[in-house]
Amino acid sequence: DGGITQSPKYLFRKEGQNVTLSCEQNLNHDAMYWYRQDPGQGLRLIYYSQIVNDFQKGDIAEGYSVSREKKESFPLTVTSAQKNPTAFYLCASSIGILAGGDNEQFFGPGTRLTVL
Amino acid sequence: DQQVKQNSPSLSVQEGRISILNCDYTNSMFDYFLWYKKYPAEGPTFLISISSIKDKNEDGRFTVFLNKSAKHLSLHIVPSQPGDSAVYFCAARSDWNSKLTFGKGITLSVRP
Repeated sequence: DGGITQSPKYLFRKEGQNVTLSCEQNLNHDAMYWYRQDPGQGLRLIYYSQIVNDFQKGDIAEGYSVSREKKESFPLTVTSAQKNPTAFYLCASSIGILAGGDNEQFFGPGTRLTVL
Repeated sequence: DQQVKQNSPSLSVQEGRISILNCDYTNSMFDYFLWYKKYPAEGPTFLISISSIKDKNEDGRFTVFLNKSAKHLSLHIVPSQPGDSAVYFCAARSDWNSKLTFGKGITLSVRP
């Protein structure tokens, strides 16, 4: 059945290491998004992609990088340049503006990243 | 500069009563608004939405009201149930962009 997969659920890394979080969707959605959630901060947009091979910075892109080589995949790399990487990371997808419609975003279960 | 504001961090109501969750926005370009519900350590799930051409949208126990002149929307849950206890996020977007802007969320607690 269709959905968004994020793995792993929990991830631990040492400070100074880059880490890549995976996000896969089989909903045939054009658009994909990465958010970060911190206590009391709500959801803040890191990067988003409205179509394959294209992506835009969100509100807090510094220290992160993404790629969108395939429609179903939108991996996020948390680099050592990110000053406060410990957070709950959420991936989402939507039909996309180009397809019209309500364009609601559907979220994955999230990855809790802890940098030690 | 927060474009979507949920000024009350928490709300507690008795089971069976009405829950009213408020949201304000500042960007007049927003024309589509959504509410998401989130449990701890899970991704948010879509609850209900409203387009700026409407002032009310209803789905079962959930109703969203939009007051464009006041740049204010509210989510009403009637009757409230203990399973409604979660964090509720208000979100908004412009028609030309799929990007959503979220509020900080409000934690709803429904007491049995």
